[in-house]
Amino acid sequence: DADVTQTPRNRITKTGKRIMLECSQTKGHDRMYWYRQDPGLGLRLIYYSFDVKDINKGEISDGYSVSRQAQAKFSLSLESAIPNQTALYFCATSDLAAGIVPGELFFGEGSRLTVL
Amino acid sequence: AQRVTQPEKLLSVFKGAPVELKCNYSYSGSPELFWYVQYSRQRLQLLLRHISRESIKGFTADLNKGETSFHLKKPFAQEEDSAMYYCALIAGGTSYGKLTFGQGTILTVHP
Repeated sequence: DADVTQTPRNRITKTGKRIMLECSQTKGHDRMYWYRQDPGLGLRLIYYSFDVKDINKGEISDGYSVSRQAQAKFSLSLESAIPNQTALYFCATSDLAAGIVPGELFFGEGSRLTVL
Repeated sequence: AQRVTQPEKLLSVFKGAPVELKCNYSYSGSPELFWYVQYSRQRLQLLLRHISRESIKGFTADLNKGETSFHLKKPFAQEEDSAMYYCALIAGGTSYGKLTFGQGTILTVHP
């Protein structure tokens, strides 16, 4: 089955460390997104990419960077992790191709990051 | 900028009771609105979208532009409806496809 895969699924790190969360997809979708989920705050968009050459900031991009290495891969980096970046991170994909509902995102299982 | 507000963090009902999850939005354009659901140990997934005007798993949602609301309703809740529900809005123009989510509502349906 075509899928969205996130690695690692769980990570504990220390303040100041560099962390990379990776997302790969076999759906063939052009669009990829990184969201973080916090209790009471819902899902907030960090970065999104509509194709390999397109990178856009979301509403909470400070402290994060991304790389779209290929159509299928979209990585999120925390250059110097801090405790308030402790959250559940979701990668998602979408496309405007025929047969796909505009606005339907396909989510990975999430990466739980704890910064001590 | 667009905003989606779900005023209830938690909502508890008994099986067979009606349930309504509230969603209000602010957006200067013509919105497209969605409900997403995350069941325990499953991925977040699309439940329904307002354009389709469909009923999914007994849930319906009507876009009320006058009240800028998109409440999710089900006449008779079931235990399997227990989940986290997110309302989301899609912006048009060049950002088409970028969803803004609300804070989420955890629905618990008691037996």
